[in-house]
Amino acid sequence: SQQGEEDPQALSIQEGENATMNCSYKTSINNLQWYRQNSGRGLVHLILIRSNEREKHSGRLRVTLDTSKKSSSLLITASRAADTASYFCATDPKGGSEKLVFGKGTKLTVNP
Amino acid sequence: DGGITQSPKYLFRKEGQNVTLSCEQNLNHDAMYWYRQDPGQGLRLIYYSQIVNDFQKGDIAEGYSVSREKKESFPLTVTSAQKNPTAFYLCASSQGRNPSELFFGEGSRLTVL
Repeated sequence: SQQGEEDPQALSIQEGENATMNCSYKTSINNLQWYRQNSGRGLVHLILIRSNEREKHSGRLRVTLDTSKKSSSLLITASRAADTASYFCATDPKGGSEKLVFGKGTKLTVNP
Repeated sequence: DGGITQSPKYLFRKEGQNVTLSCEQNLNHDAMYWYRQDPGQGLRLIYYSQIVNDFQKGDIAEGYSVSREKKESFPLTVTSAQKNPTAFYLCASSQGRNPSELFFGEGSRLTVL
């Protein structure tokens, strides 16, 4: 079952602009992770934010987590054409399920 | 270089045939996972294994089988019982039982003719 739901499904921006993607989930979590997938390739882990954290940064990435609203956002600042990819959130649900649950992803296109 | 290797990259199968997708990791990770991805969709978990000689069904295990005889290997067999096997298959691994970070292979694209 898919817990994460990304929004928007697709996003097209110009190079240099910021891109914001959102993820909503349904149950309590231990952590939430964001992954990137280039077309036809495997996923690459970007960042993990724990349930007791509210914000985390990694380079041009900024992730926020609001556990009261069961939502997270991924901000990519000063986007580049190379950021074009699909971005997925994945949740680690509380209760010891030992497996991540992925959303359907946001397809980001950064136009040069 | 440590990582996960999936093979083959592309595979064509006739209806009624079983096929086996290979997944090998040299990261010394305990846990391994198989996901299925359909166009425009997220990842759905097929099977996962936390330790050698043990594995659990995921959300869509019907028509698939796995084995975990060695820590580094987790092959997936797509059987003829899988009604719609055309998809992109992704193997992943993580260090511990709780998936703090998954490392993915490059995927195998299976097409049924």
